[in-house]
Amino acid sequence: NAGVTQTPKFRVLKTGQSMTLLCAQDMNHEYMYWYRQDPGMGLRLIHYSVGEGTTAKGEVPDGYNVSRLKKQNFLLGLESAAPSQTSVYFCASSPTGNGYTFGSGTRLTVV
Amino acid sequence: AQSVAQPEDQVNVAEGNPLTVKCTYSVSGNPYLFWYVQYPNRGLQFLLKYITGDNLVKGSYGFEAEFNKSQTSFHLKKPSALVSDSALYFCAVRDGAGFQKLVFGTGTRLLVSP
Repeated sequence: NAGVTQTPKFRVLKTGQSMTLLCAQDMNHEYMYWYRQDPGMGLRLIHYSVGEGTTAKGEVPDGYNVSRLKKQNFLLGLESAAPSQTSVYFCASSPTGNGYTFGSGTRLTVV
Repeated sequence: AQSVAQPEDQVNVAEGNPLTVKCTYSVSGNPYLFWYVQYPNRGLQFLLKYITGDNLVKGSYGFEAEFNKSQTSFHLKKPSALVSDSALYFCAVRDGAGFQKLVFGTGTRLLVSP
């Protein structure tokens, strides 16, 4: 069982570059989420989706965009990376919004 | 809006002793409460949840948590700590009447010494 798969696992970007983080789940879950984890701040919700074709803003959406064109995939985009976006990014999915299954994370450094 | 507080950045306990990791919450409706654990360089793993029913919830790896409505708390407990329990623990809450997203606390690092 693959569960939730995030790619890439590590990435270093220069300020101003763009990139897309991919999250894929094989559990047919309706809900998908992107969080960022920073020391002393826990997990903060960036964007989420309650179904294919839908997205919504979370707590810290600025500087990020998302798309959910297929139910199994949830993409997180950074159009112009900034050092403040250096973080560990986690994707999660859930069938009902209660129990989450997390991916193993993407460690992003913006220099 | 819902919120979660984990007042301790770190909890230290000796192996074999009981452990408690504290969590308090705030929601406008009925709370759905969760505990997750994160080992180094890994994603979060589900430990247990409270949605309704018995106030004492049992979860994975011998952990349990007690829901206390009057104190708005959901403390994580284990009768006898193991060195392998050393990890980062997150409490999370969802408003039962609200949208389907969890709000996480800042995390508590548990260090169990041999």
